[in-house]
Amino acid sequence: DAGVIQSPRHEVTEMGQEVTLRCKPISGHDYLFWYRQTMMRGLELLIYFNNNVPIDDSGMPEDRFSAKMPNASFSTLKIQPSEPRDSAVYFCASSLELGVRLSSYNEQFFGPGTRLTVL
Amino acid sequence: AQKITQTQPGMFVQEKEAVTLDCTYDTSDPSYGLFWYKQPSSGEMIFLIYQGSYDQQNATEGRYSLNFQKARKSANLVISASQLGDSAMYFCAMREGFGNEKLTFGTGTRLTIIP
Repeated sequence: DAGVIQSPRHEVTEMGQEVTLRCKPISGHDYLFWYRQTMMRGLELLIYFNNNVPIDDSGMPEDRFSAKMPNASFSTLKIQPSEPRDSAVYFCASSLELGVRLSSYNEQFFGPGTRLTVL
Repeated sequence: AQKITQTQPGMFVQEKEAVTLDCTYDTSDPSYGLFWYKQPSSGEMIFLIYQGSYDQQNATEGRYSLNFQKARKSANLVISASQLGDSAMYFCAMREGFGNEKLTFGTGTRLTIIP
């Protein structure tokens, strides 16, 4: 049973370049989340989708960031142009619809993360 | 105001001892959920335990238990009989409101188990 898959695991790029991070959620999950983790700001939610539709993008830092979910098994987070302050670990997570689970909660399952370094 | 506060940046505990990691939260919504996640040095986030605001009993999962004190708005994680593999960052998180899937995380506590 594969977990959340993210690629690449590491990305080093130069300032001004476009960066695309990819995520494959757990099959059958209805929600997909993108997080960013830095020492200064901790773990922050950037955006999340429900059934491929963006629900809350209030955490997206600025217009340089965009996220898409063209189908239930794939999502991208794009940064264009990238800046050194974008350096962070980016996590993708997925979860089931609350009502689908037998338990009263639906935890988010995290991918291994993508470590992005912008020089 | 911080939604989730973890006041212990780091803790050192002797192996086999119990350890309590503190978490306080702030919300005016009567419906909320509290989560604890573990992040080992390898970086992945691992779900440990959940407590719902309407749950009558404290949550338990193996060696993990949650000391939920609703009036004090605290949800401390207790790890019994600590093991070397428990060394990691631990994050408390909250989801507010029914139907809202957004998690807000605390700053974390780095736990080191000493042999």
